[in-house]
Amino acid sequence: SQTIHQWPATLVQPVGSPLSLECTVEGTSNPNLYWYRQAAGRGLQLLFYSVGIGQISSEVPQNLSASRPQDRQFILSSKKLLLSDSGFYLCASAFRRRYGYTFGSGTRLTVV
Amino acid sequence: EDKVVQSPLSLVVHEGDTVTLNCSYEVTNFRSLLWYKQEKKAPTFLFMLTSSGIEKKSGRLSSILDKKELFSILNITATQTGDSAVYLCAVEALGDKIIFGKGTRLHILP
Repeated sequence: SQTIHQWPATLVQPVGSPLSLECTVEGTSNPNLYWYRQAAGRGLQLLFYSVGIGQISSEVPQNLSASRPQDRQFILSSKKLLLSDSGFYLCASAFRRRYGYTFGSGTRLTVV
Repeated sequence: EDKVVQSPLSLVVHEGDTVTLNCSYEVTNFRSLLWYKQEKKAPTFLFMLTSSGIEKKSGRLSSILDKKELFSILNITATQTGDSAVYLCAVEALGDKIIFGKGTRLHILP
């Protein structure tokens, strides 16, 4: 079965500092991978998705970026965090669609 | 612009009641509609719907899709306190995009 590892679980970073969140997938190959952000009390906002190595689609223009250096690795980055970047970040993977999409356990980022 | 709208945004009912959650959508090249339950952390998958009029059931939960009117409903019968959660509707579009609604926060009173 498919498993998503996402770390860290919580992160407190000062404004202007860099960010790197990593997501790795086990139990599947060539999955579609997604980064979502969930602000408090709101739904999931799609940030980036990737259908293969080096292929990134961006949904929301912002100071975040994503990379997929390996088939089962998806990285969310920022050079300089803003207060508005605070939120709950979720990585998701899709392989066998009829089983839905699998989510990682999320990273709660607080920018102070 | 693709969008998914859920209603109500929040709902409080008593244990044993039946609830209906709504999801309407406007997306380009619809592939499927998904329902998730989110308690504290990651959403957990409930249903994937691709065809109109075919009800999917899992215990006390059921869901149906209307592709002509572009909406889906999620029903929960005989609610229990463990059903308290945020219920998320998402639509999968061609090009592998998955767009979520803002969710319905359901609270079941004992």
